[in-house]
Amino acid sequence: NAGVTQTPKFRVLKTGQSMTLLCAQDMNHEYMYWYRQDPGMGLRLIHYSVGEGTTAKGEVPDGYNVSRLKKQNFLLGLESAAPSQTSVYFCASSYGDNTQYFGPGTRLTVL
Amino acid sequence: AQSVAQPEDQVNVAEGNPLTVKCTYSVSGNPYLFWYVQYPNRGLQFLLKYITGDNLVKGSYGFEAEFNKSQTSFHLKKPSALVSDSALYFCAVRDFNKFYFGSGTKLNVKP
Repeated sequence: NAGVTQTPKFRVLKTGQSMTLLCAQDMNHEYMYWYRQDPGMGLRLIHYSVGEGTTAKGEVPDGYNVSRLKKQNFLLGLESAAPSQTSVYFCASSYGDNTQYFGPGTRLTVL
Repeated sequence: AQSVAQPEDQVNVAEGNPLTVKCTYSVSGNPYLFWYVQYPNRGLQFLLKYITGDNLVKGSYGFEAEFNKSQTSFHLKKPSALVSDSALYFCAVRDFNKFYFGSGTKLNVKP
């Protein structure tokens, strides 16, 4: 099992560019989450999904969109990147809504 | 409002000594509490959780945590620290489908 994988691992964008981060899990988990990690602030929930075809807003959803067309994939989109979105992004999945399994992260820099 | 506080940015302990990493929480209803560990340039790994039952929870790598409802705390402990325990530790609380993380505590174990 690969667990939770994230693509890409690193990315540099210019302000205003768009991109999509892909999260994939092979554990047949219903729940999937996107977080951002910033120094001194821990992890903050951006969006989450409780099942295929469903998404919901987390703590800091502005500037991001998500889609869960397939159970195993959860995509995070930035339509018009801003320097404030420079961060490390983590995807996680869980069975039920308890123990989460995290991906290795995507380091995004917006210039 | 739901929140998690980790009052110490950093904890220093000598190898072989006991360690404690503090966490307090605020949540409506019964708390579901978690500890995760993050090694450099890696995703978070689950250590232990409290859902219900015994207030002393045992987890991975010899860690344990004590749930104290009256003090709204969930401190992480280990009787004898190892150098390899040096990492960033996060406390989290679940509220319905959302998770709230503390800002993290860096644990330094010196030989």
